[in-house]
Amino acid sequence: EPEVTQTPSHQVTQMGQEVILRCVPISNHLYFYWYRQILGQKVEFLVSFYNNEISEKSEIFDDQFSVERPDGSNFTLKIRSTKLEDSAMYFCASSPKGQGSGANVLTFGAGSRLTVL
Amino acid sequence: AQSVTQPDIHITVSEGASLELRCNYSYGATPYLFWYVQSPGQGLQLLLKYFSGDTLVQGIKGFEAEFKRSQSSFNLRKPSVHWSDAAEYFCAVVPSGGYQKVTFGTGTKLQVIP
Repeated sequence: EPEVTQTPSHQVTQMGQEVILRCVPISNHLYFYWYRQILGQKVEFLVSFYNNEISEKSEIFDDQFSVERPDGSNFTLKIRSTKLEDSAMYFCASSPKGQGSGANVLTFGAGSRLTVL
Repeated sequence: AQSVTQPDIHITVSEGASLELRCNYSYGATPYLFWYVQSPGQGLQLLLKYFSGDTLVQGIKGFEAEFKRSQSSFNLRKPSVHWSDAAEYFCAVVPSGGYQKVTFGTGTKLQVIP
């Protein structure tokens, strides 16, 4: 069964450093997402990406965050200058559906755990 | 405001016992409804989904969920719990008719005791 793969599985970084989390969505999917889950809290939406641009973002997704699809297979989340509160599990997801074409079923990756010291 | 609520933060059941996890939503129209499971250290796996039609949906691992419009609920059930079912369960919704983002409930952590 096709799956979304994420790397690294765990990254430890110093506060203020840049971090790039990588994702390979399912190949025929059109929508890509990043979610995060701070330890002990709910899974929160960060951003969705379609047709090479951000389609929606949450208030969490501030100027410190950026996403990119640098090639035909990868989808990355960059945190420019990490803060302690960025420590979380970051989930990438993808879905096959386009706008207005019905229910959106996301397939999630296993997550990248980011620890900011 | 639109929301999805899981009133039980933590549930403990004995292996072999039945299970029901509650989920309520508050949306203008019936959204699309999902249950995801997250095993320790793992990602989110889709258990089942409801779009329309039969209000009782079957999922993987022996789970089922029933959509009740009158109660705005989508409770997850399993007749006999196995130790491997210990995990965190998330109810999730997407507003109907769209590609919009998934909104998750706060999750219910299931503990299974021998």
